Amino acid sequence: GAVVSQHPSRVICKSGTSVKIECRSLDFQATTMFWYRQFPKQSLMLMATSNEGSKATYEQGVEKDKFLINHASLTLSTLTVTSAHPEDSSFYICSARGSGAYNEQFFGPGTRLTVL
Amino acid sequence: SQKIEQNSEALNIQEGKTATLTCNYTNYSPAYLQWYRQDPGRGPVFLLLIRENEKEKRKERLKVTFDTTLKQSLFHITASQPADSATYLCALDMSMGRRALTFGSGTRLQVQP
Repeated sequence: GAVVSQHPSRVICKSGTSVKIECRSLDFQATTMFWYRQFPKQSLMLMATSNEGSKATYEQGVEKDKFLINHASLTLSTLTVTSAHPEDSSFYICSARGSGAYNEQFFGPGTRLTVL
Repeated sequence: SQKIEQNSEALNIQEGKTATLTCNYTNYSPAYLQWYRQDPGRGPVFLLLIRENEKEKRKERLKVTFDTTLKQSLFHITASQPADSATYLCALDMSMGRRALTFGSGTRLQVQP
């Protein structure tokens, strides 16, 4: 299957700082990428849908000014957690949609964010 | 509201047996349903997709059924191995055309040697 990478894999930061997470599709072009968040012992929760060259669509309850998403190219989407607080500590996972007619998605390995 | 439920939070079976996981959904008629595997600290890995007009789909030791009347999918792993131990997630596209996935809570499978 297709490969999606995320960087960094793990980040620890102080409260109030901003953190940028990159998501790359390595061997295919992804017009749509998705960002999910997963708290311990819970399932993935969709945060936003990122379309190349346009504004992201955020799920209800997700603050767009706090979680900035940029999808500047067909292979790269970034999520910036601004002014991070301890409650933002979570496992952030991106996915990229393949080119098939159905929604087979390829997930990145995830980024573990810990805010002190 | 639309919901996806995976009935068992955890399932323990002996090596060699068949594991059967259940996914139920309500208030929606999906065109397809997907199953993923997730290992601790890793992103989900796609396993199988089954369309609404398919009753059953197989891939090696995996089998998925889809009953749109019961609004249920069953996921089977035959001849299970300890390496199959992981969390298995079912997922539906309930995003009204955006192709975003909604995941069930997952079933943590433990295969005992």
